[in-house]
Amino acid sequence: EADIYQTPRYLVIGTGKKITLECSQTMGHDKMYWYQQDPGMELHLIHYSYGVNSTEKGDLSSESTVSRIRTEHFPLTLESARPSHTSQYLCASSGFGVGGNSPLHFGNGTRLTVT
Amino acid sequence: AQKVTQAQTEISVVEKEDVTLDCVYETRDTTYYLFWYKQPPSGELVFLIRRNSFDEQNEISGRYSWNFQKSTSSFNFTITASQVVDSAVYFCALSEATGANNLFFGTGTRLTVIP
Repeated sequence: EADIYQTPRYLVIGTGKKITLECSQTMGHDKMYWYQQDPGMELHLIHYSYGVNSTEKGDLSSESTVSRIRTEHFPLTLESARPSHTSQYLCASSGFGVGGNSPLHFGNGTRLTVT
Repeated sequence: AQKVTQAQTEISVVEKEDVTLDCVYETRDTTYYLFWYKQPPSGELVFLIRRNSFDEQNEISGRYSWNFQKSTSSFNFTITASQVVDSAVYFCALSEATGANNLFFGTGTRLTVIP
């Protein structure tokens, strides 16, 4: 059973605010990810990390930033929230299997609304 | 470049009917991995199955079955005797063995099972 936690579950915030979405996993997984999910369902990879002190940009350009100071923690920060950032943000982690393709374990997501 | 296509955006079936969700993929790698995930209304993505490119055996797990055909680059998912609890968005995904090994998702198929 995967143990990956995201907080907050829901967040409504005004334009221009700085926010941090938290993600923690207790499985000791090296690789972690952030996906942004459109209201129309599509999932886009915005950040990932191979391990501590590693951060990479994903396929979708994002104004957010991430950090990986500890294996279990992978927070995502928006310095100045805008309505275009309204979306669901999903955090995931995976261990390294053959070819690095172990299944991703997802958190419950943070649904962000910027007014 | 890799690509996953789920042509069916939404499907509705009556309970106890069988339903097949289509997935077509593109990749230049000879080694790759295919996945199906379920996203119920609660929002989290639940891993259902992983299949590697060298294993074309079809798989059955209870009411779920998967048909992998390399000749047509398809990895279709069938639910037999559907139930209301099967209502969810289903995502097909692809991971290549080379590169960053990240997961690329299709756009999802929303399945509604009507009681």
